[in-house]
Amino acid sequence: EDQVTQSPEALRLQEGESSSLNCSYTVSGLRGLFWYRQDPGKGPEFLFTLYSAGEEKEKERLKATLTKKESFLHITAPKPEDSATYLCAVRGSNNDMRFGAGTRLTVKP
Amino acid sequence: DTGVSQDPRHKITKRGQNVTFRCDPISEHNRLYWYRQTLGQGPEFLTYFQNEAQLEKSRLLSDRFSAERPKGSFSTLEIQRTEQGDSAMYLCASSLVWGEGAKNIQYFGAGTRLSVL
Repeated sequence: EDQVTQSPEALRLQEGESSSLNCSYTVSGLRGLFWYRQDPGKGPEFLFTLYSAGEEKEKERLKATLTKKESFLHITAPKPEDSATYLCAVRGSNNDMRFGAGTRLTVKP
Repeated sequence: DTGVSQDPRHKITKRGQNVTFRCDPISEHNRLYWYRQTLGQGPEFLTYFQNEAQLEKSRLLSDRFSAERPKGSFSTLEIQRTEQGDSAMYLCASSLVWGEGAKNIQYFGAGTRLSVL
């Protein structure tokens, strides 16, 4: 069965303090790894999709990378508005999306 | 370009009552998904439609749950005889997929939060 584990569960950073979130996965036949951002009381907002090991995507202060076993979401010089829960999901050969429990990021000014 | 919209945003009901939620996907998206999310967890897949056909249902979807997408546009999710364990956020997502191996990016609505008393 496909599995996704995100760490840490929660992360508190000072504004400007760069860090990384981890997403470890096991999946049969990876068809995509997805990163979403979710603000309290709202639905997940799509950020990135990665399809093969070695692939990288960037958007503003965020950069996602992918290996055969894990993905990292690097946050460079975060701002308070980056505070949110970041969700990782994988799609395998069964085409179902399996989400991790998320990392709750708080960035203090 | 409007996003995925869900109605209502919040629903409070008493145990044993039936509830129905609506989802309007992004126009021209052919796939529509329903998920359930509880506090501190990621969304869990419930079911999905390609156009009007319901192609897959999770084993999480008990026989008290039914979903429809009658004209391949909006969808409804009904829960009969609600239980306290049904309390959760119900999320809808849509995507545009053509062909095998196509990239399939799901865009989510804001969800319907259900509280069963």
